[in-house]
Amino acid sequence: ETGVTQSPTHLIKTRGQQVTLRCSSQSGHNTVSWYQQALGQGPQFIFQYYREEENGRGNFPPRFSGLQFPNYSSELNVNALELDDSALYLCASSLRREFINEQFFGPGTRLTVL
Amino acid sequence: DQQVKQNSPSLSVQEGRISILNCDYTNSMFDYFLWYKKYPAEGPTFLISISSIKDKNEDGRFTVFLNKSAKHLSLHIVPSQPGDSAVYFCAAENTGGFKTIFGAGTRLFVKA
Repeated sequence: ETGVTQSPTHLIKTRGQQVTLRCSSQSGHNTVSWYQQALGQGPQFIFQYYREEENGRGNFPPRFSGLQFPNYSSELNVNALELDDSALYLCASSLRREFINEQFFGPGTRLTVL
Repeated sequence: DQQVKQNSPSLSVQEGRISILNCDYTNSMFDYFLWYKKYPAEGPTFLISISSIKDKNEDGRFTVFLNKSAKHLSLHIVPSQPGDSAVYFCAAENTGGFKTIFGAGTRLFVKA
């Protein structure tokens, strides 16, 4: 059973560019959530996808968008990059159950915006 | 508005002693709480959780206590081991919701 994987590991972009980050969920998991972790902070919820539909969204602007594919892998797209978008981006997959939401995290993608 | 707060950025403990990590929350709608541990260059890993209908949950060396009236929870690690050195995140959820709210984390150092 493979865990959650993310690519790329590191990425450097310039302000105004667009970026796509990728995530492969743990086998059997149909829910994926994306988080932004700034330096010295905890992960901040961006959005969640469940069976290819956006299931909820945190306090992030529309230039943060996502996709979930039939195999439950996922993408996070960020348009018009800003300096403050520099952070570690984590994805987490879970088998959505009614009472618990134990999430399995990938190692993250470190995005630097110059 | 930080709904989950971990006021101690770091904690240093001697090997074999107890580590106590604290967490406060403000949203009374939270009914499920989790602790995650994070090593450098890895994603957070689930450690232990507690439902709001309980006040204690134990798993080996790890125990989480919940005080709903104070909106406070704590993670006890006994005995602490050098391998426990990591960043610990407290997190909270509303059952049936979709969002997990994390605290800023506490970095634990366990000295041999």
